[in-house]
Amino acid sequence: GDSVTQMEGPVTLSEEAFLTINCTYTATGYPSLFWYVQYPGEGLQLLLKATKADDKGSNKGFEATYRKETTSFHLEKGSVQVSDSAVYFCALSLSGAGSYQLTFGKGTKLSVIP
Amino acid sequence: SQTIHQWPATLVQPVGSPLSLECTVEGTSNPNLYWYRQAAGRGLQLLFYSVGIGQISSEVPQNLSASRPQDRQFILSSKKLLLSDSSFYLCAWSVGTSGNTIYFGEGSWLTVV
Repeated sequence: GDSVTQMEGPVTLSEEAFLTINCTYTATGYPSLFWYVQYPGEGLQLLLKATKADDKGSNKGFEATYRKETTSFHLEKGSVQVSDSAVYFCALSLSGAGSYQLTFGKGTKLSVIP
Repeated sequence: SQTIHQWPATLVQPVGSPLSLECTVEGTSNPNLYWYRQAAGRGLQLLFYSVGIGQISSEVPQNLSASRPQDRQFILSSKKLLLSDSSFYLCAWSVGTSGNTIYFGEGSWLTVV
């Protein structure tokens, strides 16, 4: 079945460090790929998405490129801030009729220290 | 613009008591609606989803149920809560199919004591 695997956390970085959170997927079709962010005590917010191979999603300094050849969608940010401390979820959604669901990874907790 | 609201935000209930969490979506018609559960420090588990009034699909057998009495209203219920039902519950919505984005509510913290 479809699945998403993302790197185990927690990840602790100093402010202004470079961030990479790895995400790989397994899907039978051609999925759309998402990164969601969850700040402490809140619901999930869409961070960015990509709907086809080689697309790059970007938002708030974060970016991720849909790599079909490596089935990956790694999240990157060049310089993290304390306010980026949150849990990050990679997810996929299959295209086509009847595809209503997202399949989520287990989440990666990021802590950024001053 | 579309908005989603769920309530109550926090709830403390005794074991064996009933549960009702409500969710409404505004600014869109015929949304797909979802209930997810997120246990502390763990990932998201899809509980129910609905593509229309009265159409509920259950993903996980348990003592919870869902209903959709109106197009933009989704209710999560239980007749008798268990300690293991303590969790963070998230309502969400989307429109259409084909990889569309799912948007989440603020979440409801349920503690069963």
